[in-house]
Amino acid sequence: QSVLTQPPSASGTPGQRVTISCSGSSSNIGTNYVYWYQQLPGTAPKLLIYRNDQRPSGVPDRFSGSKSGTSASLAISGLRSEDEADYYCAAWDDSLSGPGVFGGGTKLTVL
Amino acid sequence: EVQLLDSGGGLIQPGGSLRLSCEASGFTFISYAMSWVRQAPGKGLEWVSVISGSGGSTYYADSVKGRFTISRDNSMNTLYLQMHGLRAEDTAVYYCAKGGSSLVTRPSFDYWGQGTLVTVSS
Repeated sequence: QSVLTQPPSASGTPGQRVTISCSGSSSNIGTNYVYWYQQLPGTAPKLLIYRNDQRPSGVPDRFSGSKSGTSASLAISGLRSEDEADYYCAAWDDSLSGPGVFGGGTKLTVL
Repeated sequence: EVQLLDSGGGLIQPGGSLRLSCEASGFTFISYAMSWVRQAPGKGLEWVSVISGSGGSTYYADSVKGRFTISRDNSMNTLYLQMHGLRAEDTAVYYCAKGGSSLVTRPSFDYWGQGTLVTVSS
């Protein structure tokens, strides 16, 4: 059971907008930045969103992040078949003695 | 071009030891925190450990505390993970990851190694 809770699956059709949620608490999302990663099958994760809503260069503006209170969301608009992947949120947690945490991951299927 | 080359994985018996390495190039190594992130077969990501640029600050997940040691050689641009007392549940692909800054408290991994598989089994 991860400290950050994500739905295990999500789906959409090409062109649709989908959102993936990440629920935490005051010790992680509530007081720290949220990061989002995309992992295509058989590859290393890729940074999609940093500091809640910032996109690294090269990440399409179809991907956007937001945060409110102790929850965060990743939105993907104009869904494409190549967006089919696993998505993870991550944040530092002030209540833990170790490093931060990842959410359990959401598998996005493009129908 | 930033490159991270993970190595050192393999098949090891329970209770054994292994050292992973990550050779970095294309950036000023000492200026960035570095981490190890692992992924068990078919499972999600777990942030195992992080080390500051100077090496003076380290954090470990509870699952590996006391058994794993993260270190870095800034003269060789290399990150290490020394693993002792390996257990079946440590079986995973281990990735080294470059932080986006010197801060250890930001899970902002902008570059990743290709991963090295550690299999703990008798």
